[in-house]
Amino acid sequence: DAGVIQSPRHEVTEMGQEVTLRCKPISGHNSLFWYRQTMMRGLELLIYFNNNVPIDDSGMPEDRFSAKMPNASFSTLKIQPSEPRDSAVYFCASSLRRQQETQYFGPGTRLLVL
Amino acid sequence: GESVGLHLPTLSVQEGDNSIINCAYSNSASDYFIWYKQESGKGPQFIIDIRSNMDKRQGQRVTVLLNKTVKHLSLQIAATQPGDSAVYFCAENSGGGADGLTFGKGTHLIIQP
Repeated sequence: DAGVIQSPRHEVTEMGQEVTLRCKPISGHNSLFWYRQTMMRGLELLIYFNNNVPIDDSGMPEDRFSAKMPNASFSTLKIQPSEPRDSAVYFCASSLRRQQETQYFGPGTRLLVL
Repeated sequence: GESVGLHLPTLSVQEGDNSIINCAYSNSASDYFIWYKQESGKGPQFIIDIRSNMDKRQGQRVTVLLNKTVKHLSLQIAATQPGDSAVYFCAENSGGGADGLTFGKGTHLIIQP
């Protein structure tokens, strides 16, 4: 079975550019989570969806970040405009249900903003 | 164990030995805990989980122990192999409407040949 799929795997962009990260959760999973990983702060939850509806976006750092989930099999995380401090690895994870469920992570998108 | 700041604690063990990785979690209301393994360049991989109504759970070569009194979680890996070298994270879910996981800083496990 395919796990969580993320694209692109690597992204290098210049400051000020728009960046769009994509995620396809595991089929049948109802919850989707976006995390960011940096050396300074470790793994941090940015936002999560349940049944395609955003539930909690309190982890989204700034208005420059936005996330959508137009259907059960696709989500995007957009940064506009990007800044060098956004450089990190962004992970998408999915789980069957919202709480007390194992979250399965994708391979991540390594973003470098110059 | 856990670390605050930039440096991951490192645990180095000989191949074949047992290893114990510790984690102090933060929220006494947390009721679900997971251990993840992360290899370089990859996403966190599920190892084992435990709910707060248990104090021990075993998997294949791994055992998780939960001590709610002191908010402590540990992961025991038996007969370590080179492929066990990775960063290990504990994660907690506090429930009560908070659905995301809160991750610890991680421990870097190195298996010496």
